[in-house]
Amino acid sequence: QVQLQESGPGLVKPSQTLSLTCTVSGGSISSGTYYWSWIRQPAGKGLEWIGRVFTTGSTNYTPSLKSRVTISVDTSKNLFSLKLSSVTAADTAMYYCARGPGADRGFAFDIWGQGTMVTVSS
Amino acid sequence: QSALTQPPSASGSLGQSVTISCTGTSNDVGGYDYVSWYQQHPGKAPKLVIYEVTKRPSGVPDRFSGSKSDNTASLTVSGLQAEDEVDYYCSSYAGSNNWVFGGGTKLTVL
Repeated sequence: QVQLQESGPGLVKPSQTLSLTCTVSGGSISSGTYYWSWIRQPAGKGLEWIGRVFTTGSTNYTPSLKSRVTISVDTSKNLFSLKLSSVTAADTAMYYCARGPGADRGFAFDIWGQGTMVTVSS
Repeated sequence: QSALTQPPSASGSLGQSVTISCTGTSNDVGGYDYVSWYQQHPGKAPKLVIYEVTKRPSGVPDRFSGSKSDNTASLTVSGLQAEDEVDYYCSSYAGSNNWVFGGGTKLTVL
């Protein structure tokens, strides 16, 4: 079955760019009509949807982060990526990649990676 | 401040039922039938348990059910078991290709 795995630096300096990758295994990222998302969760807090990418490269972002976020897809490597610029301590969180939301699963996030912790600190 | 409002905690006795609410607005929960619920064990990724307000993914016990009335969605867990004592999050489509989550509810099984 499809599995997702996040990777990237666990520590990022303030004002720099956070970069994470989500590798998809067990299936092609291009199969079906799936979207692929990034979601984050500060310690002890709720979830926040960051944005999604389709296999064509089409993207949607949550309004509060839109000016700092770029999500891209590399179908040849079966992965998608997140870049978040000008980070501050408020961006410290567990970052998850997930499949969805798309019409094939009622606009829900049906498969999640295990998450990767990113700390913003000098 | 999360976009959707959930009670921080909820509790129910072993074998009984408990309902967790998720309140939004007419721009999200009330406007679309795209509410989903997630179960999250400590230190683990969330797991989808309900989508499109009432539907259960394959493998999720029928003890989990969802509903919606106006701007409030609800998750009911029946026949409470000790393993249900974890965190639950709701999510909703909010229009304009944007999705929002609730702040989460910690369920305690008494």
